[in-house]
Amino acid sequence: KNEVEQSPQNLTAQEGEFITINCSYSVGISALHWLQQHPGGGIVSLFMLSSGKKKHGRLIATINIQEKHSSLHITASHPRDSAVYICAVGRRDDKIIFGKGTRLHILP
Amino acid sequence: NAGVTQTPKFQVLKTGQSMTLQCAQDMNHEYMSWYRQDPGMGLRLIHYSVGAGITDQGEVPNGYNVSRSTTEDFPLRLLSAAPSQTSVYFCASSYSRQPSYNEQFFGPGTRLTVL
Repeated sequence: KNEVEQSPQNLTAQEGEFITINCSYSVGISALHWLQQHPGGGIVSLFMLSSGKKKHGRLIATINIQEKHSSLHITASHPRDSAVYICAVGRRDDKIIFGKGTRLHILP
Repeated sequence: NAGVTQTPKFQVLKTGQSMTLQCAQDMNHEYMSWYRQDPGMGLRLIHYSVGAGITDQGEVPNGYNVSRSTTEDFPLRLLSAAPSQTSVYFCASSYSRQPSYNEQFFGPGTRLTVL
């Protein structure tokens, strides 16, 4: 069983829809990371969180440590949000384990 | 700041050839790492370094060597390329030696094909 599971694997939505991407993990962690991989391949860090909730613009990330679950939400989605979103967990032994990613496609 | 830079962007090798993927960062980060990204799989750690002169193996180190003679540079060497090493390679860095709870900065990637 993978230590980090993301769902869904692929998501297509209309512009303006509210998007939720889920991440479940099975190990003790120091922090959870959300990353965005652009169609051109570049990877950027969106959030790092170890408790509660963080917000940046239209993006919101939440984490429930007891349930070992995190969600990434996008409000008022836009075609430029189309990308692969990657969940990664920073384990307590300092290794980072990456999920396989969720491919999001927002239609205009 | 240029951030994390990688060269080349694309490379085609024949089986058995050797080459070095270059990675440099100008943020004075202690931690640097190399990942490979394959279809249907998450990023996997090849090698990492927590400072100049210190390197260690990650999850998939076989067939690769690294060195860290300066804080800025962390080259990845393929000793004898094999088709199984066809992948996209990313270099990443973070400020402290504990990447688990530090933001990771990624290079633009190198797409390598081994024929």
